[in-house]
Amino acid sequence: EVQLVESGGGLVQPGESLRLSCIASGFNISTHYMTWVRQAPGRGLEWVANINQDATETYSLDSVKGRFTVSRDNAKNSVYLQMSALRAADTAVYYCARGVRWFDPWGQGTLVTVSS
Amino acid sequence: IQLTQSPSSLSASVGERVTITCRASQDAKSAVGWYQQRPGTTPKLLIYDVSTLESGVPSRFSGSGSGTDYTLTITSLQPEDSAIYYCHQFNNYPLTFGGGSKVEI
Repeated sequence: EVQLVESGGGLVQPGESLRLSCIASGFNISTHYMTWVRQAPGRGLEWVANINQDATETYSLDSVKGRFTVSRDNAKNSVYLQMSALRAADTAVYYCARGVRWFDPWGQGTLVTVSS
Repeated sequence: IQLTQSPSSLSASVGERVTITCRASQDAKSAVGWYQQRPGTTPKLLIYDVSTLESGVPSRFSGSGSGTDYTLTITSLQPEDSAIYYCHQFNNYPLTFGGGSKVEI
């Protein structure tokens, strides 16, 4: 079964850092772009960042540039989102998804709450 | 590219035909997809490249459009179609989603 499982979310204070992980099973991520999408509580979907197969290209939302870094370890079949200088506006469920143009499948998400 | 969906919510009966529109702020070059998010679940890919149904998606779902205007149609609404539907453009960065359309039965 093709599956993505995120972890690493939690409650942090503004300005702090957090690293999200996404581990894939049922397929090899080395042949796929991988993407992070977030959803603030009660809100819609927002694309955050993606990374190509060999990590030579990454793209991210302007509001997270310089604060969030997406990376991957194909040997561990995992993708990561390093988040720093977190803001209240970053509070959301963060989903990992396979693909660059359309996204399938999605993980179950991990909740990041930024609050003092 | 900003995506504006309408309506933001609708209520329809089982068996009815439902249409959701997605208007892009500029030509999305047919790089448009649709996702379904049922309450408490993760988004699910329904359609990509305007009209290509993802494997396993019922044929009552269809997509159409070009340029700046795109449409998701459900020809015969079923109880399990109660969800929020999002359009998505992947023509250029930043990739964007519409604000969502909530369908209630």
